[in-house]
Amino acid sequence: TQLLEQSPQFLSIQEGENLTVYCNSSSVFSSLQWYRQEPGEGPVLLVTVVTGGEVKKLKRLTFQFGDARKDSSLHITAAQPGDTGLYLCAGDNFNKFYFGSGTKLNVKP
Amino acid sequence: KAGVTQTPRYLIKTRGQQVTLSCSPISGHRSVSWYQQTPGQGLQFLFEYFSETQRNKGNFPGRFSGRQFSNSRSEMNVSTLELGDSALYLCASRPGGATINTDTQYFGPGTRLTVL
Repeated sequence: TQLLEQSPQFLSIQEGENLTVYCNSSSVFSSLQWYRQEPGEGPVLLVTVVTGGEVKKLKRLTFQFGDARKDSSLHITAAQPGDTGLYLCAGDNFNKFYFGSGTKLNVKP
Repeated sequence: KAGVTQTPRYLIKTRGQQVTLSCSPISGHRSVSWYQQTPGQGLQFLFEYFSETQRNKGNFPGRFSGRQFSNSRSEMNVSTLELGDSALYLCASRPGGATINTDTQYFGPGTRLTVL
């Protein structure tokens, strides 16, 4: 059983569309991170959110941490083929990281 | 600054053997964490070492062990390999001093272990 549930597992969209990935848990985390992983490489950190209700923007990516610090979302506006990859959320529970199962995103040109 | 390096990148072993994987963190980073990534279970936390001491441990059997040296380099050992141990093993380093994690965790490219 995953401590963090991510949805959807797979997403295939056309370039220019918007999308949202969700990361939910019944546990409270001290911080939550989002990563992107490409084939043959390790995950690369996109953002860390620490405060409940926090919203962070990174160009076309918007990250939100739930008020209760149990869930998070990643919204991508006007997706591009370069956004293709595996997106992972990870919750930090006193230096122990729990990863979600991941969302495989494919953006078609 | 050089990134996190892992050796070897690929490894093939047979059931019952043991294996040692190596991780060199980014210079100045004192925390090294190890993860197992499989298609079925995703990324799972194995353990974290900080200043040569195991600081945290995930839910893996005792066949999985690790250690950290004074230069922060870390090794992970798996004894009596099973088919289900086939996975990508990732290590990640960060400065590690903060209690609430605001450090950036940098991952290496991983070691792909295949157990036959």
